Amino acid sequence: KQEVTQIPAALSVPEGENLVLNCSFTDSAIYNLQWFRQDPGKGLTSLLLIQSSQREQTSGRLNASLDKSSGRSTLYIAASQPGDSATYLCVPRVSNFGNEKLTFGTGTRLTIIP
Amino acid sequence: DGGITQSPKYLFRKEGQNVTLSCEQNLNHDAMYWYRQDPGQGLRLIYYSQIVNDFQKGDIAEGYSVSREKKESFPLTVTSAQKNPTAFYLCASSILGMQPQHFGDGTRLSIL
Repeated sequence: KQEVTQIPAALSVPEGENLVLNCSFTDSAIYNLQWFRQDPGKGLTSLLLIQSSQREQTSGRLNASLDKSSGRSTLYIAASQPGDSATYLCVPRVSNFGNEKLTFGTGTRLTIIP
Repeated sequence: DGGITQSPKYLFRKEGQNVTLSCEQNLNHDAMYWYRQDPGQGLRLIYYSQIVNDFQKGDIAEGYSVSREKKESFPLTVTSAQKNPTAFYLCASSILGMQPQHFGDGTRLSIL
């Protein structure tokens, strides 16, 4: 059974800092891995999706890396802004069928201090 | 704008009562999903549907029921058999073969 761990569980940093969120997963036979953000009381917003054959994906100030063999992914946020405050979820997908077979991490709650 | 609409935003259930959560999408997605989110836990899959008039149980389907009579709609009923229904419920959708990409803003269900 896939298990996903996100460290730290919560993080507070001053505005403008670069930061890294970590995700580890136990089953490395993944098809892809997705990062979402969730604002309080809201649904999930997809940020980046990395295929298993890729090492990283970038979107604006966000960069996600994937090391499938070691079961790790990181989300790098450059020049953090107060609007980045949210919970960030790491979601690996185990196989290329059964697109419902997702395991959601419990997330890292990020607070950017103005 | 295309998206997923969940209603109501807040819902209260009395003992022995069934309640229905609405989920509507105008993204023309074939697949729709229902998740439950509890504090300190990751999202857990309740039911999903890949096509109209067909749906499958997820990991925690007991005490819940769904229907998929239209492509756009996937309502979830929380029955009286669900003894611990207090949670945040999220609906999602995707094109066939892809995992959920779009989520609604959720319904928070509480017990009166």
